[in-house]
Amino acid sequence: QSALTQPRSVSGSPGQSVIISCSGTSSDVGVHDYVSWYQQHPGKAPKLILYDVGRRPSGVPNRFAGSKSGNTASLSISGLQADDEADYYCCSYGGTHSTFVFGTGTKVTV
Amino acid sequence: EVQLVQSGAEVKDPAESLKISCLTSGYDFTNHWIGWVRQMPGKGLEWVAVIHPGGADSRYSPSFEGQVTISADKSITTAYLQWNSLKASDTAIYYCARGFCDSISCYYFDYWGQGTLVTVSS
Repeated sequence: QSALTQPRSVSGSPGQSVIISCSGTSSDVGVHDYVSWYQQHPGKAPKLILYDVGRRPSGVPNRFAGSKSGNTASLSISGLQADDEADYYCCSYGGTHSTFVFGTGTKVTV
Repeated sequence: EVQLVQSGAEVKDPAESLKISCLTSGYDFTNHWIGWVRQMPGKGLEWVAVIHPGGADSRYSPSFEGQVTISADKSITTAYLQWNSLKASDTAIYYCARGFCDSISCYYFDYWGQGTLVTVSS
């Protein structure tokens, strides 16, 4: 099972918006709407910021939004803040032989 | 408050055995899946395995099947990840995390432990 493909890095100025793509196949991302996203600051554990494509856990601001089209999911961050500077990983159902598969990770620079 | 507290950093020689732990609290341990995620130095996240403590059902990533063993002790609400013979390539941070899964698949990890650094070096 190969990792989902994400851009290595994206950047934006404070207040701007960025979009991170997560490309999979018809065997994982394309199967159903069970894509999740995690934010990881340096030296810290990952934190769930979106699940079921676009649902936010309690406490996650609505500046974070998710969507999916076909085999590609996307995370958009609007109103960029300094604290949004982190690594972001998507995750999906991995298909018949793998329960989870993570994306390659994207470094967001503000 | 849901909490997952992992055991401390380990330094081991190749071929040694190791068992790391994840003590949970604040939720019904037997009603939620719990899993492990690996992060090698400077690299991304990789799913290792998940287990349902209530039913003892477990699932492994094909990349880790046969290399590690996941287990759980309901009496002390603790999950474990075990190696029988460590290799230098096992050097990584290992995170435990509570998972939302069903009989078909897993969907997301909502609470995470702080991570356990495992270093394997002669």
